[in-house]
Amino acid sequence: NAGVTQTPKFRVLKTGQSMTLLCAQDMNHEYMYWYRQDPGMGLRLIHYSVGEGTTAKGEVPDGYNVSRLKKQNFLLGLESAAPSQTSVYFCASSHGRGYYGYTFGSGTRLTVV
Amino acid sequence: RKEVEQDPGPFNVPEGATVAFNCTYSNSASQSFFWYRQDCRKEPKLLMSVYSSGNEDGRFTAQLNRASQYISLLIRDSKLSDSATYLCAVPRGSARQLTFGSGTQLTVLP
Repeated sequence: NAGVTQTPKFRVLKTGQSMTLLCAQDMNHEYMYWYRQDPGMGLRLIHYSVGEGTTAKGEVPDGYNVSRLKKQNFLLGLESAAPSQTSVYFCASSHGRGYYGYTFGSGTRLTVV
Repeated sequence: RKEVEQDPGPFNVPEGATVAFNCTYSNSASQSFFWYRQDCRKEPKLLMSVYSSGNEDGRFTAQLNRASQYISLLIRDSKLSDSATYLCAVPRGSARQLTFGSGTQLTVLP
């Protein structure tokens, strides 16, 4: 009963480096989401996907790209990391259109120095 | 006005107390609402869903006031283990993606 799995759990990047965060869910959920959480800012939506092969921008998409080539996986990429991207990143998945709660992964703590 | 607003607290209450949090939302068309619990350095976990006037689960009661556009979470007989941050969430947009409040921090004191 893995649910939503995020890798890695922790990462330190230097400014300008790139990386990919992986989110995998085994619940056959159609919808997947990437949020970032910063102190005092709450959870803010970066990108989301309503099904395999689809992606859409959320509230704070700049500096990030995503892909959903397989239904169970949702990848978040940082092409050129900046200190402002230091945050905790949460992936979530859901059955459908906001009528069901999300299941979250355990998060990735990213520090950009 | 923010889409979803919560009093950040902190709320410090003794064990056994009853405590209530409110969450206001701006989209009057919202149909469903959620309360999440988030422990320190952990992921949010779904606590309750609210689809009509309210919902009750043991010591927890969530109520919806559509006229004033807020949802509330009532915790009765507080336990030390209830200490956490409580987030409310409201769907918005074409895919009904959730918008979260900043959370209310609760500490239950022995």
